[in-house]
Amino acid sequence: IQMTQSPSSLSASVGDRVTITCRASQSIRNYLNWYRQKPGKAPKLLIYGASSLQSGVPSRFSGSGSGTDFTLTISSLQPEDFATYYCQQTYSPPRTFGQGTKVEIK
Amino acid sequence: EVQLVESGGGLVQPGGSLRLSCAASGFSFSNYEMNWVRQAPGKGLEWISYITKSGGTIYYADSVKGRFTISRDNAKNSLYLQMNSLRAEDTAVYFCSRGEVPAASFDYWGQGTLVTVSS
Repeated sequence: IQMTQSPSSLSASVGDRVTITCRASQSIRNYLNWYRQKPGKAPKLLIYGASSLQSGVPSRFSGSGSGTDFTLTISSLQPEDFATYYCQQTYSPPRTFGQGTKVEIK
Repeated sequence: EVQLVESGGGLVQPGGSLRLSCAASGFSFSNYEMNWVRQAPGKGLEWISYITKSGGTIYYADSVKGRFTISRDNAKNSLYLQMNSLRAEDTAVYFCSRGEVPAASFDYWGQGTLVTVSS
């Protein structure tokens, strides 16, 4: 299953609303997860099951979608959110990641 | 506190072997599936292997199938990755991660260990 994220990168300002999309090459039901990775650090789980917020993750993060099309939304971008975001399907192996979306400071 | 600590990375020549370890603590290791994920320098995340709680089911990415072997020792709370026939393209930071249920998302990650394949 191929996972395609868009855009590959974006520039935004603190306080902006940001949306990242992820498309699967076939239906993955809701087996879609989102991670944030800062440089030199391990990824951090933000959203699992397409729309469930991982414990301890701020409520400005939300996820939606099912089947093949999914969205990660950050309602108000914070300084710590400038990072790279990855979607991942866990519907079937191989548990593929998207290519990543880098969120940079405008 | 859940902790995953990888070790065993280093510099190895092409064609060589290396064994990575991941020491788990702070949770009941035998109750969770585990994964290895790698990230080449400046590149994205690549899932490479998965093992069920008992070790009875294992999957590999095509890029490592036949060369890498995942295993676990639940008595020692440890996950392993035996890497043989290493290639330059295997150069990466290798992360172990815990598979959460029911979504199978990767809810905890180690800090990673760097493997460099070079002559």
